Amino acid sequence: QVQLQQWGAGLLKPSETLSLTCAVYGGSFSGYFWSWIRQSPGKGLEWIGEINHRESTNFNPSLKSRVTISVDTSKNQFSLKLTSVTAADRAVYYCAKSPVPAARGLVYFDPWGQGTLVTVSS
Amino acid sequence: DIQMTQSPSSLSASVGDRVTITCRASQSISRYLNWYQQKPGKAPKLLIYGVSSLQSGVPSRFSGSGSGTDFTLTISSLQPEDFATYYCQQSYLIPLTFGGGTEVAIK
Repeated sequence: QVQLQQWGAGLLKPSETLSLTCAVYGGSFSGYFWSWIRQSPGKGLEWIGEINHRESTNFNPSLKSRVTISVDTSKNQFSLKLTSVTAADRAVYYCAKSPVPAARGLVYFDPWGQGTLVTVSS
Repeated sequence: DIQMTQSPSSLSASVGDRVTITCRASQSISRYLNWYQQKPGKAPKLLIYGVSSLQSGVPSRFSGSGSGTDFTLTISSLQPEDFATYYCQQSYLIPLTFGGGTEVAIK
């Protein structure tokens, strides 16, 4: 049974870079896509982007210019970097697994990581 | 972007009630529609994928229907553990988008 465990800094100053990592335990890492999703009171649930073990990526166009998603297949981990954060980036960030790449069919997220609250304050 | 609109945004119901939540897409999304349940402080949990396929372990009182732009999640007999917020999500086009949620509260 796949489990996702995520970690990263929870308090950032404006203009800093958000950095989170998600580790995959108990299942295959290849053959799936691995997403980052965030949730805020103002914007609700927002898909950020995804990656697979071959480093193929897809992104939400609204965030693409600030987002990097990378993968470390030796550790079954993938990471998110979001540059130039502002108060609008305050959210709970989740990692999640999906069976196929975005917009290539039925994409659903299961399971999810436990979530990381990221706050941006000077 | 495809906008996903859920209604109602909240509802109050009693244990044993039949509950129906609607999700409308701003354009046709075929059957690329999923439902999630979220409880406070927890990550969303997949309930239904592809409009009507029940995720493993999800009770059969949950069901989904619809196609094109209009979709429904039904809980046939509400149980105490079902009080939560429910979200729909489309995967027809990038960016993948979610509905704003429907909070199911105890009457």
